[in-house]
Amino acid sequence: DAGITQSPRHKVTETGTPVTLRCHQTENHRYMYWYRQDPGHGLRLIHYSYGVKDTDKGEVSDGYSVSRSKTEDFLLTLESATSSQTSVYFCAISSTSFEQYFGPGTRLTVT
Amino acid sequence: AQSVTQPDIHITVSEGASLELRCNYSYGATPYLFWYVQSPGQGLQLLLKYFSGDTLVQGIKGFEAEFKRSQSSFNLRKPSVHWSDAAEYFCAVGALILTGGGNKLTFGTGTQLKVEL
Repeated sequence: DAGITQSPRHKVTETGTPVTLRCHQTENHRYMYWYRQDPGHGLRLIHYSYGVKDTDKGEVSDGYSVSRSKTEDFLLTLESATSSQTSVYFCAISSTSFEQYFGPGTRLTVT
Repeated sequence: AQSVTQPDIHITVSEGASLELRCNYSYGATPYLFWYVQSPGQGLQLLLKYFSGDTLVQGIKGFEAEFKRSQSSFNLRKPSVHWSDAAEYFCAVGALILTGGGNKLTFGTGTQLKVEL
């Protein structure tokens, strides 16, 4: 299995509070991705990174920001959490333009 | 824009029976295609991938998939299902992201497989 960890694994937070999720990899892969998984939608891309300090938006980026200051860490921030952001968040990595490997996920509940 | 359709939300098969999970994709160029499996509370594990070449690809855990360009399909098969195969299965199509490279995956909504003993 690819060396990917996500923290926290579970989080409950209140509407309006900022939340940061962390993805850490030990594979030295160039590309990192954040997805959210919701019933009936599969996984949808939020943001991705193609190198340190190089990021771009995915299809559902509103309300989210990301940062990557080191190759191994990719942070996802919910600037002001809303109930619609209750979801399971997955980080993925890839070394090439091809297959992606996923972390164990973070279950976020916004009350 | 690419899209993926998995027409079966739930499938139930008996242990030892054969399995076929359907996947149809829409993409303007030659697609990169993937099947992932997700067990409850777990992340996604890559089962197999198709990039080019032989249209029948073999994956882990005894799974295979066949790419049929004329039907825009990439169906997943297994000759004999084991109880441990019960999970959710996702088909995905990849497109190269122009900014910086990388591969944008578009997922289907998944097929939940139940295995009866």
